[in-house]
Amino acid sequence: EPEVTQTPSHQVTQMGQEVILRCVPISNHLYFYWYRQILGQKVEFLVSFYNNEISEKSEIFDDQFSVERPDGSNFTLKIRSTKLEDSAMYFCASSDGKGEAFFGQGTRLTVV
Amino acid sequence: GENVEQHPSTLSVQEGDSAVIKCTYSDSASNYFPWYKQELGKGSQLIIDIRSNVGEKKDQRIAVTLNKTAKHFSLHITETQPEDSAVYFCAASKPGGYNKLIFGAGTRLAVHP
Repeated sequence: EPEVTQTPSHQVTQMGQEVILRCVPISNHLYFYWYRQILGQKVEFLVSFYNNEISEKSEIFDDQFSVERPDGSNFTLKIRSTKLEDSAMYFCASSDGKGEAFFGQGTRLTVV
Repeated sequence: GENVEQHPSTLSVQEGDSAVIKCTYSDSASNYFPWYKQELGKGSQLIIDIRSNVGEKKDQRIAVTLNKTAKHFSLHITETQPEDSAVYFCAASKPGGYNKLIFGAGTRLAVHP
C-alpha cells in the first residue's frame, strides 16, 4: 500500500538553528500538507501546497516557516530559526484532491 | 472560524463493550469527515471516513454516523479489543482540492481486558 514517509523520525536542535523536515508524498498525489501537534494538543493545520505554490497557510505559518518541493518527489518544511515553542510532532500529508489525506508517521522536533 | 469539538477527551471501556466518540463542526460547508487513529509513537492512520451525502457508513466493528442538520458526526466501535486503545481524532474539511483538515482535540480510548 502506498504511504507517506517522513525523515527524520526525531530531530533535536538548538534554539535558533535551522531545521529541515523531509517528506516523500504518495507519488501520484498533487496536494501536500504540513500539520503540527504540540504534546497534549490537537493536530493543527500549517500549510497546504499545490502546483508548486502555497495554497493556504495558517497564522502559525509565519515568516520563519517555508515549504519547498525541490525535486518533484520530496516535500520539505524548513524552520529558519527554531524556538522552544516549535517543539512538536510535525506531520506531512498528501492527497489526490478527492478527500482522503494520507499522513506520514511524523517527525518529533525537540528544540532545546 | 472553523472549529471541531470532540467529546469525550478520555474514554475507558471494558473489552467487548461499545465505544462512542462524538464530534460537532461549525462550518456547514464541510462535506468530508474522516476519523484517524493515533497509536503511541506513530502517525495518524485513517480508519473510516464519511461524506455528506451519506448518513452512515460501517466497516466491520467500526461505524460512523453523520447528522448534517445538527452538524454532528460520531464514531462507534463495537466489541472493543485492547488493540483498539489509542487516541482517536475526528476531522472535517470543505469541498475543494486543498481539503485542509480541521481536527478535533482527540479522545484517548482505553480498552481494559
